[in-house]
Amino acid sequence: EAGVAQSPRYKIIEKRQSVAFWCNPISGHATLYWYQQILGQGPKLLIQFQNNGVVDDSQLPKDRFSAERLKGVDSTLKIQPAKLEDSAVYLCASRYRSRTQGAKFYEQYFGPGTRLTVT
Amino acid sequence: QKEVEQDPGPLSVPEGAIVSLNCTYSNSAFQYFMWYRQYSRKGPELLMYTYSSGNKEDGRFTAQVDKSSKYISLFIRDSQPSDSATYLCAMSPNTGNQFYFGTGTSLTVIP
Repeated sequence: EAGVAQSPRYKIIEKRQSVAFWCNPISGHATLYWYQQILGQGPKLLIQFQNNGVVDDSQLPKDRFSAERLKGVDSTLKIQPAKLEDSAVYLCASRYRSRTQGAKFYEQYFGPGTRLTVT
Repeated sequence: QKEVEQDPGPLSVPEGAIVSLNCTYSNSAFQYFMWYRQYSRKGPELLMYTYSSGNKEDGRFTAQVDKSSKYISLFIRDSQPSDSATYLCAMSPNTGNQFYFGTGTSLTVIP
């Protein structure tokens, strides 16, 4: 089974520039997450999609960050304009979602991340 | 107060040692408790998860949850150099909600 794919792996931009990240989740995974992991910290959820709908974007800085998941498969995360404090690894994760109710645990599978440096 | 607190370390142990990693949390609604391992420049990968309180063992790894104290632990027996990584605890109220991560503990196992 192929894992979560992300590109690019590394990106260096100057502040006030824009950048976009791409994620291809595991086939059949309806739930997709974007996390921000600043050096020395744990991942912080930015946005959660269920198919192509947003479930939770409460921690997404909407004045500069945007994300979409067209057709419920691939997703892109954009930052415009970037700030120095946006330097971080941006992780995409996906998860299978059962159609039945219940407490069964389905793990989140993470991609390798995109390391963004804003200078 | 952060939802999840984790000592960032770093932790350095000799090969073969028993390692204890811990997290505390404040949200009593958390029911699912996970441990992720993250190698340098890689995404986190799930090691173990526990539902509610109790212990769970998988090979050299044992996860413990004490909900009364809001405290979880991961024990690694007979540690190996390949265990050198950052270990992240994560928690969630249910399977559909977001995971709340600790800051991660950096572990180095010295041959």
